[in-house]
Amino acid sequence: DTAVSQTPKYLVTQMGNDKSIKCEQNLGHDTMYWYKQDSKKFLKIMFSYNNKELIINETVPNRFSPKSPDKAHLNLHINSLELGDSAVYFCASSQALPTGATNYGYTFGSGTRLTVV
Amino acid sequence: SQQGEEDPQALSIQEGENATMNCSYKTSINNLQWYRQNSGRGLVHLILIRSNEREKHSGRLRVTLDTSKKSSSLLITASRAADTASYFCATDRGRGSTLGRLYFGRGTQLTVWP
Repeated sequence: DTAVSQTPKYLVTQMGNDKSIKCEQNLGHDTMYWYKQDSKKFLKIMFSYNNKELIINETVPNRFSPKSPDKAHLNLHINSLELGDSAVYFCASSQALPTGATNYGYTFGSGTRLTVV
Repeated sequence: SQQGEEDPQALSIQEGENATMNCSYKTSINNLQWYRQNSGRGLVHLILIRSNEREKHSGRLRVTLDTSKKSSSLLITASRAADTASYFCATDRGRGSTLGRLYFGRGTQLTVWP
């Protein structure tokens, strides 16, 4: 199946730990993203990345870092986890909008629910 | 940062009725997209409308865009219980045809009662 897949689906960890969330897309898209959804369902862009450019949302703490071993993968590494990092993290991918395309959008993974205790 | 804002925050209707959700945004856009999120699941892309379009249809969905008012609406006709979900609008300021980063509103929680 063509998709964006992220693992793990659930992650429970203690404060101060370092953890990673993996994301892979087999859609051939050239840009990948990480979004954070808080408890009120508000979605906020964290990073966008293609092989040319990493764009970081300036509000994201530098404890968060994206790592891309290749075009199909964008992992999210988090150092020194804090209680406030608890949220659902979504990976997404997109491709340049084709000329004349009638409908096109991002493809999202199913999310990773991170709980910091 | 630019964000869409949906209203209402919550909408409760009976099956067969139409559901209308609105979205407003603050700056110029390349396109606007609507997504659905079922409880505990990821986001599913529903429809994209470019800034030079005024209306798009997809099945039971109808989206309008008024760039002069910086607003959009999503109409779901003949709603079904399976339409129960959160609906988000997202604006994209990507240059030209390249999709940029999406800025989401806080969503409308739609509940459709059988």
